[in-house]
Amino acid sequence: EAGVTQSPTHLIKTRGQQATLRCSPISGHTSVYWYQQALGLGLQFLLWYDEGEERNRGNFPPRFSGRQFPNYSSELNVNALELEDSALYLCASAVGGRTDTQYFGPGTRLTVL
Amino acid sequence: KNQVEQSPQSLIILEGKNCTLQCNYTVSPFSNLRWYKQDTGRGPVSLTIMTFSENTKSNGRYTATLDADTKQSSLHITASQLSDSASYICVVPFLDSNYQLIWGAGTKLIIKP
Repeated sequence: EAGVTQSPTHLIKTRGQQATLRCSPISGHTSVYWYQQALGLGLQFLLWYDEGEERNRGNFPPRFSGRQFPNYSSELNVNALELEDSALYLCASAVGGRTDTQYFGPGTRLTVL
Repeated sequence: KNQVEQSPQSLIILEGKNCTLQCNYTVSPFSNLRWYKQDTGRGPVSLTIMTFSENTKSNGRYTATLDADTKQSSLHITASQLSDSASYICVVPFLDSNYQLIWGAGTKLIIKP
């Protein structure tokens, strides 16, 4: 069974640009979670999507947004990039609803210059 | 305030030695606690989950304990191997309407040959 996949693996942008990160969940999983992990720090919850709807949002500005598609894959968009947005962005999927069994992808390393 | 605190922040031990990592939580009501292992630059992988009624659970050389009265959990690693070098993260779900996971900052474990 294929795991959670994320693309791209690495992404380099300049300040002010927009970044789009993609995530494909495990087949059969309807929930997708996004996390930001700055270098050397813990995971910070960004967004939770389930069945195409945004269910919860962490303490991040509105320029962090996303969506979930009918096939349950998801996209994270970061507008007006700032230097401090440089981080590893992790996507996790779960069977759905309130389950806490999350399976993580390998992450996208975003570097903002 | 719902929090998960881990100690120590980092730990260096020699290969073959044992170690114990600590997790204290204030999340209430409590349902379960999970330990994740995160290799550098990769997504976390679940090691074990402890429910309210469980005191001890083993997964190979990893043994997790839970004291729900004192709201403490520990992860004991026996006969450490170089591959155990990673960050170990404690996670407790907060059972509000959005079912948010409260993530600890992690303990960075380095195993030296």
